[in-house]
Amino acid sequence: AQTVTQSQPEMSVQEAETVTLSCTYDTSESNYYLFWYKQPPSRQMILVIRQEAYKQQNATENRFSVNFQKAAKSFSLKISDSQLGDTAMYFCAFRLSNSGYALNFGKGTSLLVTP
Amino acid sequence: EAGVAQSPRYKIIEKRQSVAFWCNPISGHATLYWYQQILGQGPKLLIQFQNNGVVDDSQLPKDRFSAERLKGVDSTLKIQPAKLEDSAVYLCASSNPRLLSYEQYFGPGTRLTVT
Repeated sequence: AQTVTQSQPEMSVQEAETVTLSCTYDTSESNYYLFWYKQPPSRQMILVIRQEAYKQQNATENRFSVNFQKAAKSFSLKISDSQLGDTAMYFCAFRLSNSGYALNFGKGTSLLVTP
Repeated sequence: EAGVAQSPRYKIIEKRQSVAFWCNPISGHATLYWYQQILGQGPKLLIQFQNNGVVDDSQLPKDRFSAERLKGVDSTLKIQPAKLEDSAVYLCASSNPRLLSYEQYFGPGTRLTVT
C-alpha cells in the first residue's frame, strides 16, 4: 500500500515571500505520479503541479516548483512570490501510473498568506 | 469545457435517514471517482468506475453505501442509513483514460452533516 505523509498541518507566509511545503511518501513501485492539489476555502480542488517519477527534472509551473527526491521519497512544493490567493489547503497525492488508479492523498497543509 | 457538476452542495440529515448525491462528470471522461473527505483529512477513495463498471470499491462501506453509474455518464452515491461519522464532504472526480497522466478533475463537493 502507498502512504503519503504531510508533516506540516499549518503554515504561514507573508505576501511576496517564498514557502516550502513538505511531503514524503512510501511505495515499493518504481512508476508513479506525484501531485500537489490546492483546495481554497469552500472551493473545489484544482491541480497545481504534477511530477512523473521517471523524470529527473523537477516540474515547474509559473511560481510553483517541486523538489523531487526519488531515493528519499520526498516531494516538496515551493511557492515563490506568495500571493493572498494562494491561501488554501494543499494536498500531496500519489498515484500509480499503470492505469487510472485513484489518488492517495496526504492529510494536507493549511497555508495562510498574510499581507 | 464544463467542469464536474455535483448536487446538492449542502445537505443536513438526521442519523438513520437516507441521502443521495449526484455527479455529472466532464463529457467524455470514462473514469469517475467518489471520494470522502472528513474534516481535517485528505480525500479517501470510496469507489471508482470505468464507464459503468466498478474498478475499485474496496473502501466503500457496503452495508450502508451504494453507488451506480448506469449509462456510463452520471453517477449517484447513496447512504442508507446515515451515521454521525458519515459527516464529510463527498467529492466526485473524473478523468480521461486516454490521457497518460490520468489527470483528475474535481467537482465542488457535497457537504453532508448528519445530526
